Amino acid sequence: LAKTTQPISMDSYEGQEVNITCSHNNIATNDYITWYQQFPSQGPRFIIQGYKTKVTNEVASLFIPADRKSSTLSLPRVSLSDTAVYYCLVGPMDTGRRALTFGSGTRLQVQP
Amino acid sequence: GAGVSQSPSNKVTEKGKDVELRCDPISGHTALYWYRQRLGQGLEFLIYFQGNSAPDKSGLPSDRFSAERTGESVSTLTIQRTQQEDSAVYLCASSLAQGPEQFFGPGTRLTVL
Repeated sequence: LAKTTQPISMDSYEGQEVNITCSHNNIATNDYITWYQQFPSQGPRFIIQGYKTKVTNEVASLFIPADRKSSTLSLPRVSLSDTAVYYCLVGPMDTGRRALTFGSGTRLQVQP
Repeated sequence: GAGVSQSPSNKVTEKGKDVELRCDPISGHTALYWYRQRLGQGLEFLIYFQGNSAPDKSGLPSDRFSAERTGESVSTLTIQRTQQEDSAVYLCASSLAQGPEQFFGPGTRLTVL
């Protein structure tokens, strides 16, 4: 599974757009990029997944450049409730075992 | 419908005792995963069940750890002769055979004294 590198922590203020970048230089052709969010004392929650270009849902956008060696999770107009740890994961979706490899994630702190 | 549930939510045990953790996946989800999360760290994969296939046990840290799953329903993770380094939150997740999303339970916080 491709190794990922993301910032340990980020700070933001309510109403701002937050962009969290993840590096995955060794991404394989059949790997997808997935982001999860984890609040304290809870299990992770799926946010978004993409393979290339841009994916958008009601929660976030995911930008993936052509070389796919990095990706950026964009959270529009964050609120205090977006304070959480965000994990970037890379791995194939077409194999029997799709266990996720989680790094330490990015701890986002949103302040008033 | 109901999400993934785990029990107990908290477990305190003494070193050397055995513990059993339970996971009830979402109905219809054929895949089930166990992860371990130490304080302030990411998740470590432990074991994966998919339907009636042989489980993938490649993440189990030692032979003190074992897990079972009854068909496509309940799973139990057993840790024998617990050690202090086993203290962590144990998370269970389930998913459909297809699709990217894993649904996580709230976890069981295990403390080994």
